[in-house]
Amino acid sequence: AQSVTQLDSQVPVFEEAPVELRCNYSSSVSVYLFWYVQYPNQGLQLLLKYLSGSTLVKGINGFEAEFNKSQTSFHLRKPSVHISDTAEYFCAVSDTGGFKTIFGAGTRLFVKA
Amino acid sequence: EAGVAQSPRYKIIEKRQSVAFWCNPISGHATLYWYQQILGQGPKLLIQFQNNGVVDDSQLPKDRFSAERLKGVDSTLKIQPAKLEDSAVYLCASLERGNSPLHFGNGTRLTVT
Repeated sequence: AQSVTQLDSQVPVFEEAPVELRCNYSSSVSVYLFWYVQYPNQGLQLLLKYLSGSTLVKGINGFEAEFNKSQTSFHLRKPSVHISDTAEYFCAVSDTGGFKTIFGAGTRLFVKA
Repeated sequence: EAGVAQSPRYKIIEKRQSVAFWCNPISGHATLYWYQQILGQGPKLLIQFQNNGVVDDSQLPKDRFSAERLKGVDSTLKIQPAKLEDSAVYLCASLERGNSPLHFGNGTRLTVT
């Protein structure tokens, strides 16, 4: 069975500051890792994904994440946030066999002017 | 390509009533998921279909929830009878292939009074 833990429920940050949203996972099988973003009253949209290969993956809107197998982490980072980045961010893990995708509880990023 | 379509967008019912949600996935996507997202939480997988067969329904409260995907295309999720704790957003998602991200609809917000 897989599980995902997002270590921060809320992250307030000032505009143009860097941000890191933390995610740890556990799984007994190989997994794919994803970060999704959810704006109010909308479904989830993909930010980035890790399937294999380079452990640093880049996504949309200037976000990037680093896969650390030894620490079973997949933290999301952005060097300089904008007001428009205010949203809920979800880390997700999918097993490579049955494609069952499990989500973390989410981190609410609040960017202040 | 057209996205995942869900209807209705909003539904208000009284407890013990029944309700149904509809989802039309992206054309060609064989895998379809229903998630329940309670306010302030991450999406919780209810059921996963591969074509018209159920892959995983271990988290579906089968005494009141049912889902079907006739002909392997669109799907309906039904709740009968509804309880107050069923108030949530019900998200439908589809998957093109195993290492692809999920494509989500905008969800149906259910309020049970």
